[in-house]
Amino acid sequence: AQSVTQPDIHITVSEGASLELRCNYSYGATPYLFWYVQSPGQGLQLLLKYFSGDTLVQGIKGFEAEFKRSQSSFNLRKPSVHWSDAAEYFCAVGEGSGGSNYKLTFGKGTLLTVNP
Amino acid sequence: EPEVTQTPSHQVTQMGQEVILRCVPISNHLYFYWYRQILGQKVEFLVSFYNNEISEKSEIFDDQFSVERPDGSNFTLKIRSTKLEDSAMYFCASMRQGELSPLHFGNGTRLTVT
Repeated sequence: AQSVTQPDIHITVSEGASLELRCNYSYGATPYLFWYVQSPGQGLQLLLKYFSGDTLVQGIKGFEAEFKRSQSSFNLRKPSVHWSDAAEYFCAVGEGSGGSNYKLTFGKGTLLTVNP
Repeated sequence: EPEVTQTPSHQVTQMGQEVILRCVPISNHLYFYWYRQILGQKVEFLVSFYNNEISEKSEIFDDQFSVERPDGSNFTLKIRSTKLEDSAMYFCASMRQGELSPLHFGNGTRLTVT
């Protein structure tokens, strides 16, 4: 069965600093990979996705992630964090179930705090 | 940008009662999902629905749970007899058919069973 590990439960960075959130997955085939963000009281907003092709993917809000098959990783990065980026970040892997349908398995999430 | 809409945002119910959580997926989407997140735990897959039938369900989705698409716009999750451990945030999601595309999630319904 597929699994997703986000090793960091809570990360604190200063505004303007760079950010990297780690994600490792376990899945036998080529994975579909996602990062979602959840602000307090809000739903899950898609930041970026990887289905195939270029292993460096760009997302919204200045985020990017790189798929590294050899390391089974899909780390999320941002060069300069803004206070509004404070939220919980979830990495997820999609397991295909036929056609274009798939099921998501989520990591436990990383809570990001941004200091002024 | 079209959104997935969930109502209510918060539902409080007594143990043993039936609840129905409602979702309006994005209009041209054809795959529908329910996920849940127990406080402090991972977001977990419950069920996927396509072409008016369940396409996959998790072991969590037992006989107490059912899903329905009663009309062309709504997608509901019914819990027949709620238990304390059903307290969680329930997320509806939808996805369009065709080329691979991401799931779009609603803001969730927080269910509290007392």
